[in-house]
Amino acid sequence: GAGVSQSPSNKVTEKGKDVELRCDPISGHTALYWYRQSLGQGLEFLIYFQGNSAPDKSGLPSDRFSAERTGGSVSTLTIQRTQQEDSAVYLCASSFSGLAGNEQFFGPGTRLTVL
Amino acid sequence: GENVEQHPSTLSVQEGDSAVIKCTYSDSASNYFPWYKQELGKRPQLIIDIRSNVGEKKDQRIAVTLNKTAKHFSLHITETQPEDSAVYFCAASRGTLTFGKGTMLLVSP
Repeated sequence: GAGVSQSPSNKVTEKGKDVELRCDPISGHTALYWYRQSLGQGLEFLIYFQGNSAPDKSGLPSDRFSAERTGGSVSTLTIQRTQQEDSAVYLCASSFSGLAGNEQFFGPGTRLTVL
Repeated sequence: GENVEQHPSTLSVQEGDSAVIKCTYSDSASNYFPWYKQELGKRPQLIIDIRSNVGEKKDQRIAVTLNKTAKHFSLHITETQPEDSAVYFCAASRGTLTFGKGTMLLVSP
């Protein structure tokens, strides 16, 4: 079966514009995660969705960042009024469940460049 | 929240040598410790993981050890090969994963 997919693969935008990043998790995976990876840095947790539960938004760096997951499948990460420091690779991952010990499968990422 | 420290940030070895990467974590409730390998321009992929009820786990040339008392866990790669060159991330979890900042491993032929 298909793995986690993300679109677009690359996005270049101007400072102040809004962007939407999309993630298609593996079919049947109830847990979905968004991470941000800046150059030479680790993976910074942003937000976590588990089934129909309220998402864990504890990693979102500011109120310019939001995410939703429709129908328990596809997720969209939205960054409003983008800033240059938002430039990074945004990775999505999914797992069969949100319990510790379930392997997270990563998508290829979206490279965001804010000019 | 959880905090994961990873050392070293870079590691250069000769082909055939062993490589060791060490991580510490802060949350004693963390019970799952995966290691991911990320090749240049690629997505992270799980290479091995360990749960808190186990002290050591091996998979061919790769092994992971866990010391719950000290809150340390380590990745050991033996007989390194050039294709082992990548960035390796440790993580700790009791739900969501907290990652270390990564170790760039370079294996020279």
